Amino acid sequence: EPEVTQTPSHQVTQMGQEVILRCVPISNHLYFYWYRQILGQKVEFLVSFYNNEISEKSEIFDDQFSVERPDGSNFTLKIRSTKLEDSAMYFCASSEGTGREQYFGPGTRLTVT
Amino acid sequence: GENVEQHPSTLSVQEGDSAVIKCTYSDSASNYFPWYKQELGKGPQLIIDIRSNVGEKKDQRIAVTLNKTAKHFSLHITETQPEDSAVYFCAASMGGGTSYGKLTFGQGTILTVHP
Repeated sequence: EPEVTQTPSHQVTQMGQEVILRCVPISNHLYFYWYRQILGQKVEFLVSFYNNEISEKSEIFDDQFSVERPDGSNFTLKIRSTKLEDSAMYFCASSEGTGREQYFGPGTRLTVT
Repeated sequence: GENVEQHPSTLSVQEGDSAVIKCTYSDSASNYFPWYKQELGKGPQLIIDIRSNVGEKKDQRIAVTLNKTAKHFSLHITETQPEDSAVYFCAASMGGGTSYGKLTFGQGTILTVHP
């Protein structure tokens, strides 16, 4: 069964450093998403990506965040200058279309020290 | 924007009992309502979903009901088993039109099934 994969599973970085989180969505999916879950809290939407551009973003997704689909398979989230409050689980998801099932990856735990 | 409220935050049942988790949403334009199960250290796993043109959907021991007028939907798990123990999240989304499918999640329910 196709699944969304994410690397790394855990990333530790120092405040102010740049990190890139990687995702491989399900191959025939067209819509891609990043969500964040701070420990013990609900899952929060960050950004959606369709047709090689950002289609929607939340107020969390400020100028320090960017997304890219550098090739036909990878989908990345970059945080330019990490802050302590960026520590969270980051989930990638993909979908065939809007209003369709979204499948989540296993997540990357980002720890900013 | 959309707001989803979920209750209860924790639910403890005996094996074999039923469990019910309820969610309300605020935006009447939402038309897609998935439920996710999240086990420790893993990503959310889609277990069942319902669209606004349907009032109820069932898949083996799990079912979801939707009341569009009241803007609430519920997850029902029958004959619970210890392996059902997890965190369950409801979510709401608008599909189609100008929406790109953003999911708004509830706060989650920690379900514990005691053997």
